[in-house]
Amino acid sequence: DVKVTQSSRYLVKRTGEKVFLECVQDMDHENMFWYRQDPGLGLRLIYFSYDVKMKEKGDIPEGYSVSREKKERFSLILESASTNQTSMYLCASIPPRRYNNEQFFGPGTRLTVL
Amino acid sequence: GENVEQHPSTLSVQEGDSAVIKCTYSDSASNYFPWYKQELGKRPQLIIDIRSNVGEKKDQRIAVTLNKTAKHFSLHITETQPEDSAVYFCAAAKGTSYGKLTFGQGTILTVHP
Repeated sequence: DVKVTQSSRYLVKRTGEKVFLECVQDMDHENMFWYRQDPGLGLRLIYFSYDVKMKEKGDIPEGYSVSREKKERFSLILESASTNQTSMYLCASIPPRRYNNEQFFGPGTRLTVL
Repeated sequence: GENVEQHPSTLSVQEGDSAVIKCTYSDSASNYFPWYKQELGKRPQLIIDIRSNVGEKKDQRIAVTLNKTAKHFSLHITETQPEDSAVYFCAAAKGTSYGKLTFGQGTILTVHP
């Protein structure tokens, strides 16, 4: 069974703090994604990675960076958190050699920036 | 880049009625169109998908139709049940995009018993 986990379900941080969100998958997935989910805006892609140390910007990368040092782990970094980054963050991954692009999501991290 | 528009944003139906959610996309090169369901407090999960070489696909009470010419696709749920209440997202992708999906804004479906 595919399993994608995220380091925290809820997180509260202060403006200006550096924030790390971590995503881990246990099925040798190659492609991993970070989204933020806001009501009325759907899921918007922040960054994705198609291999270790490889990353590409998504649609809303400003204020974020990512790290993928190991295949199973994809981290989202908020260099200096701001209140407009309060949101639900979802990680997803795609197993290798899949016919379709089905993404398997983690449970999400609800981040509040005060 | 790709842009996906989804309507309506909210949909309320009585149990047993049908529900239809519509999406349009902008990039004619997109060839994969999945639908995800997200129940309250849970992660999105794929419920059905369609590729551009097919016009319609059905799985029990849910079906998806695709009109490539008009660049729109729809989700149809028949005989709705309270457990169908959730947020539904459409998405679009191209085959060369590393699996990258562009999502619609989501539809909150409420099925009243």
